[in-house]
Formats: sequence, structure tokens, C-alpha cells
Amino acid sequence: KAGVTQTPRYLIKTRGQQVTLSCSPISGHRSVSWYQQTPGQGLQFLFEYFSETQRNKGNFPGRFSGRQFSNSRSEMNVSTLELGDSALYLCASRSPSETYNEQFFGPGTRLTVL
Amino acid sequence: QQPVQSPQAVILREGEDAVINCSSSKALYSVHWYRQKHGEAPVFLMILLKGGEQKGHEKISASFNEKKQQSSLYLTASQLSYSGTYFCGTDNTGTASKLTFGTGTRLQVTL
Repeated sequence: KAGVTQTPRYLIKTRGQQVTLSCSPISGHRSVSWYQQTPGQGLQFLFEYFSETQRNKGNFPGRFSGRQFSNSRSEMNVSTLELGDSALYLCASRSPSETYNEQFFGPGTRLTVL
Repeated sequence: QQPVQSPQAVILREGEDAVINCSSSKALYSVHWYRQKHGEAPVFLMILLKGGEQKGHEKISASFNEKKQQSSLYLTASQLSYSGTYFCGTDNTGTASKLTFGTGTRLQVTL
């Protein structure tokens, strides 16, 4: 079974620009969560999508948004980039068959904002 | 609020044991443990549920004290492959879809 894939793997942007990151979950997984990972703050939850609906949201500004498509693929968008948005962005998918199930993480997208 | 992990870092020799602790100020439904090696994605280790149920790899052991909102991960007879950063993720919603992760414990196992 193919794992979680994220594209692109690396991205360099400048302040003020916007960026879209993509995540394809494991086949059959309908839940996709997004996390931001930085050396200082660790892994921070951004949001979770399930069946095209945002089910949970973390404490990030409105510049961070996401969506999920009918095939469960998810995109995350960050508008008006700031230097502090430089981070590794991880997505994770989870099987909906059980509430308490492991999350499978993708390799991440490394975003650098200059 | 992030759970607090301790220690922040630990160096072990192969074969030694270690305990990693995770403490939350909020009531928890479950605690999730992950290990991340440098440049790789976090990998699932274990889930501990309120009520005592556990799901995870057989070689990993952990405990969950519901009254204290604390969890501990026990690494026994450590191997070089255990090296990495360990994260606990806490669930205080009961849905396990919004985890709050600690800042991690960096573990290095040497020969």
C-alpha cells in the first residue's frame, strides 16, 4: 500500500507570496490532518479534514486554510507569507474505521520564506 | 497548551534503559507516542486510552496515569535504531483527530 505523499517536498518563497501544498492520503483513508513543525514549537496542529469537511482547527491565523477533495486528497494554502511561516509542513492520514487509530505521516514539505 | 516532555534529551549506551515522560495540564482521553528520525516523518509507536486499553507495537511499553494526566514511555535494552526524537501527542477532545504534541525528547543511543 502506498504511503502518504506530499508535494512539493521543498519550496522557497518570499514574504507576501502565497503557497499551496498538496497531500495524498493512503488509499481508503478519509481523514487528513495538517501539522506545522518548527524547532522552537515542535509539531503544531493546523486542521483536520474528513469527507471534505473541516472537522477540527488549531490556533493559526486565517492566512492558513485548507480543503479536501472528493478523492480525499487535501491541499493547504498559506497566503501573505511571513518569515515565521518557514517550517516543515506535515500531513497525516488516518483510517476512519476506528476512532483511536494511528496517524500515518507523509514526508513533509519544507517551506522556506525569504 | 503543549504537554511537557522530560527529559529534553538523553544519551544512552546500547542495552541501557530509558523512560520518557509526558505531562499535560488538561484531562486526557488518550496519549499517542511517535518517533521521528532526522529528516524523516514521525512514525507511530503507541496509543494509550483512558480506561487502560493500549494499541501499539509489542516491543514498546508505556503507561498512562489518567488522574495525573501523565504518560511514560519505557525503552528497555535500547538499540541503535531507537535513536530519534520522541513526541507525545495528547487528545483532550475524545476524537483523537486533534492532537497536541509536546516539544519532543531527543534520544541518542551509542555503542
